[in-house]
Amino acid sequence: ETGVTQTPRHLVMGMTNKKSLKCEQHLGHNAMYWYKQSAKKPLELMFVYNFKEQTENNSVPSRFSPECPNSSHLFLHLHTLQPEDSALYLCASRGQNTGELFFGEGSRLTVL
Amino acid sequence: DQQVKQNSPSLSVQEGRISILNCDYTNSMFDYFLWYKKYPAEGPTFLISISSIKDKNEDGRFTVFLNKSAKHLSLHIVPSQPGDSAVYFCAASDGGTSYGKLTFGQGTILTVHP
Repeated sequence: ETGVTQTPRHLVMGMTNKKSLKCEQHLGHNAMYWYKQSAKKPLELMFVYNFKEQTENNSVPSRFSPECPNSSHLFLHLHTLQPEDSALYLCASRGQNTGELFFGEGSRLTVL
Repeated sequence: DQQVKQNSPSLSVQEGRISILNCDYTNSMFDYFLWYKKYPAEGPTFLISISSIKDKNEDGRFTVFLNKSAKHLSLHIVPSQPGDSAVYFCAASDGGTSYGKLTFGQGTILTVHP
């Protein structure tokens, strides 16, 4: 099993669709993150969860809705997105006594 | 306002030579710095880190240098290998090792030619 797994790897959706991105980590970590990587921009932090509680929302529009049912799973629910939301969405996890994030391979989202 | 900057979008190096990737930051509260490497179609992978109490950390071919007064860090890869060709991201945190909220630079594309 790999450390952090994201599904789907690729997603194409219309602006009126509702879809979800899923992240699962098998590392026993307690913190999970969503980052967004747009073309030619730095990775942008979206949300942070510690022990299933959201501890950071980096001014993300409400059309992105995170859910963390347990420390191993993280979802990003998407609805009424805009074409400019097309990006690579990266999930990451972190152990309690380390500053390093472990990233998944990302979900490439295209909004038509 | 970008707090972590990698001003060189790309770097090309001959195999066997040294690669030097640079990163500047503006937030004096940053106290933990990391380098990540990213291949196409993969997520970033952790490479090496340094705490602000140190000015150098070495791991095999990779060395990170931190100059706090200049708010500058660099990653040295020696000798460079073609497999090192990837995008390298600098990241910084203001919570020590316990917080993990990282601010990333834009990345530098390293190409190592055989």
